[in-house]
Amino acid sequence: EIVLTQSPGTLSLSPGERATLSCRASQSVSSSYLAWYQQKPGQAPRLLIYGASSRATGIPDRFSGSGSGTDFTLTISRLEPEDFAVYYCQHYGSSLTWTFGQGTKVESK
Amino acid sequence: EVQLVESGGGLVQPGGSLRLSCVASRFTFSNYEMNWVRQAPGKGLEWVSYITSSGSDMYYADSVRGRFTISRDNAKNSLYLEMNSLRAEDTALYYCARGCGGDCYGLSFDYWGQGTLVTVSS
Repeated sequence: EIVLTQSPGTLSLSPGERATLSCRASQSVSSSYLAWYQQKPGQAPRLLIYGASSRATGIPDRFSGSGSGTDFTLTISRLEPEDFAVYYCQHYGSSLTWTFGQGTKVESK
Repeated sequence: EVQLVESGGGLVQPGGSLRLSCVASRFTFSNYEMNWVRQAPGKGLEWVSYITSSGSDMYYADSVRGRFTISRDNAKNSLYLEMNSLRAEDTALYYCARGCGGDCYGLSFDYWGQGTLVTVSS
């Protein structure tokens, strides 16, 4: 089973700053199978990025995804107040199973 | 806008059973794969189960296989999760989530309900 490790655990930044979140897989994975979600307190997760780099419907272009192999990155170019949240990466594995990373919290400094 | 509304959660004793439901609206339910994902209080996300659009195939996380059963009724636009032999570690908010369409091929989950809380405790 592939394990996803996200870093850092918490990212303290100010509005307007750039956020770079990492997701590392325990073995090489297809970029087609890597997604990112945002979750705010008391809300359901929201799909941001699928296929490692494709933005989901309605997602602002300040969110971008990149990476391949074992290393993937979610970048928020300029943090808006509504972007402070927890972010999860997700991988679709074999035999129709999915795993999530443990999450990165982006908090306001 | 797509809507998914879960229900059926509650307090149940260890070893007990519960049936969760998720009613879908504003999209053609029968065209989409569906999933259940759970989140223990203060913890991260854990995928639980998947079902094909027709309901012919189902898959489960190791942690629930043999105890949980996913099903759907496309005529009623409804998804279900039958949970048996519940344990304290099954305590979580349970979300239903739609497998994404188009060039996403169901590999991610594009719409989620607000969740229903299951608490397993004596």
